[in-house]
Amino acid sequence: QKEVEQNSGPLSVPEGAIASLNCTYSDRGSQSFFWYRQYSGKSPELIMSIYSNGDKEDGRFTAQLNKASQYVSLLIRDSQPSDSATYLCAVNAGNMLTFGGGTRLMVKP
Amino acid sequence: NAGVTQTPKFQVLKTGQSMTLQCAQDMNHNSMYWYRQDPGMGLRLIYYSASEGTTDKGEVPNGYNVSRLNKREFSLRLESAAPSQTSVYFCAIRDYTAYEQYFGPGTRLTVT
Repeated sequence: QKEVEQNSGPLSVPEGAIASLNCTYSDRGSQSFFWYRQYSGKSPELIMSIYSNGDKEDGRFTAQLNKASQYVSLLIRDSQPSDSATYLCAVNAGNMLTFGGGTRLMVKP
Repeated sequence: NAGVTQTPKFQVLKTGQSMTLQCAQDMNHNSMYWYRQDPGMGLRLIYYSASEGTTDKGEVPNGYNVSRLNKREFSLRLESAAPSQTSVYFCAIRDYTAYEQYFGPGTRLTVT
């Protein structure tokens, strides 16, 4: 069973701080990695994709990938209350994605 | 929701009843997926269709059947609903050139 692990949280950060979300995966053959944001009662929304080792930045979001350590992270700079949501890590397994259980992020004003 | 529609949005069934969840896309993507999401369990793949005319089992296929009616539509059928199938069901689509999946708005199903 290929696994994707996330700390379920909640991760609580003050407004304006950096939120750091982490994810580990078991399949060394995985090539594509994704972060989804899911607000309560809504569907998952893709916010970041990363394919190569290193950092990828998009606005306030930075995804980091370390394939040797089988580790993916998402940094959210200048966190806002509107960032409060569950963040799902996903890793490709052939034609499919394997999802972690998600980390609930709470940004307090 | 990235050109993916799901019907119905909400449904309540009694144990043993049957129903079909519908998913349609207007993105012309090849692959379509059905997931269920339960509290504390994350998203689990039920079935997927890599392309029109093909379907494959995912992690939790028992109690479900699917039909890829055409390139646009992928339906999920519960023949005899059980309380364990109470969940939120999401349809997702993917273009064959990439691995990103895009989700529909979901169907919230309760089986009593």
